[in-house]
Amino acid sequence: SQTIHQWPATLVQPVGSPLSLECTVEGTSNPNLYWYRQAAGRGLQLLFYSIGIDQISSEVPQNLSASRPQDRQFILSSKKLLLSDSGFYLCAWSPRVPGELFFGEGSRLTVL
Amino acid sequence: RKEVEQDPGPFNVPEGATVAFNCTYSNSASQSFFWYRQDCRKEPKLLMSVYSSGNEDGRFTAQLNRASQYISLLIRDSKLSDSATYLCVVNRLGQGFSFIFGKGTRLLVKP
Repeated sequence: SQTIHQWPATLVQPVGSPLSLECTVEGTSNPNLYWYRQAAGRGLQLLFYSIGIDQISSEVPQNLSASRPQDRQFILSSKKLLLSDSGFYLCAWSPRVPGELFFGEGSRLTVL
Repeated sequence: RKEVEQDPGPFNVPEGATVAFNCTYSNSASQSFFWYRQDCRKEPKLLMSVYSSGNEDGRFTAQLNRASQYISLLIRDSKLSDSATYLCVVNRLGQGFSFIFGKGTRLLVKP
């Protein structure tokens, strides 16, 4: 069966520090991969999605970036965090042929 | 107009009640529709897909109305454990395939 792992689960970072969140999917090949953010009391915002290695589309211009160095690995990064980057970050995958979306357990980021 | 809109609620209902949520979407080319459930501080989890002919899973029934561009979720015989936020999700075609989420409808089931 397919599984998705995301880490770290929780982190507290100072403003201006870098960020790296990682996500891996097991049990499937060529998945579509996604990064979402959910700010407190708000809906899920699509940040990036990827249909293959090094193929990434950005939905929102901001100080975040994403990379997909391997088929089942998706990384969210920032060189300098802002207070507004605080939120609940969710990695997700879907089959290449469009189907349901499955989420990792999320990473809760607090920027101070 | 937002791509996916939901009434945020909360819907406060007693145990055993029937409750219905609607969700409207703006992209008429959307092809796939889903309901997700999200518990507090947890990741969303798929509740059910929504098919053109409508579908039922136990106490849950989902309907799609393409002409009016909305989907609905009906929960019968509400349980305390149904308390959660219910997210409406549609795909968005164009430069790729991505899922767009509504902000969710909060349901509180009380004894």
